[in-house]
Amino acid sequence: EAEVAQSPRYKITEKSQAVAFWCDPISGHATLYWYRQILGQGPELLVQFQDESVVDDSQLPKDRFSAERLKGVDSTLKIQPAELGDSAMYLCASSLVPSQRGLAKNIQYFGAGTRLSVL
Amino acid sequence: AQRVTQPEKLLSVFKGAPVELKCNYSYSGSPELFWYVQYSRQRLQLLLRHISRESIKGFTADLNKGETSFHLKKPFAQEEDSAMYYCALVSSSNTGKLIFGQGTTLQVKP
Repeated sequence: EAEVAQSPRYKITEKSQAVAFWCDPISGHATLYWYRQILGQGPELLVQFQDESVVDDSQLPKDRFSAERLKGVDSTLKIQPAELGDSAMYLCASSLVPSQRGLAKNIQYFGAGTRLSVL
Repeated sequence: AQRVTQPEKLLSVFKGAPVELKCNYSYSGSPELFWYVQYSRQRLQLLLRHISRESIKGFTADLNKGETSFHLKKPFAQEEDSAMYYCALVSSSNTGKLIFGQGTTLQVKP
């Protein structure tokens, strides 16, 4: 069964350093989401792509976070510089299409996540 | 504002006991709601969605618009049901964005 792939699984870094996370969605999924999950809370959307275009980055701290999906397939999320408060699980998810409410096509499938610890 | 509230961080029951995981939402219009589950050392996965009106692994959830609730229920809990459960709402923005609750840990004791 196809899965969303993420790497690395774990990342430890010092504050002010740069970090990058990679996500490869399920083949054929046009929509890709990056969520951040702080310990004890539910996931919160950071950025959403439809193909290579950003459709929602309202919660992305743009002074330090950036995301790209250049060819509309895999995606990279970068933090520079990392801060202590960025320690969290970063989850990637994908779906076939986002906007057709009520259909199976908008079910989101999640990767295993990257756990970031900033020291 | 669109919001999902799961009032219990932890629910502990004995095997065979009934389970109800609470979820309340705030949304204008017709909501689309999901329950996601995360078993130990596994990824977050869809358990069920209200529009399907299905029963998965013995769990059901009914949308109650009057009480703005979407509680997850199972008549007889099993040890393998122990996991983290998240209720989620599709945002009205038409982007498919999910708004998650804080999650409830279900612990089923033998």
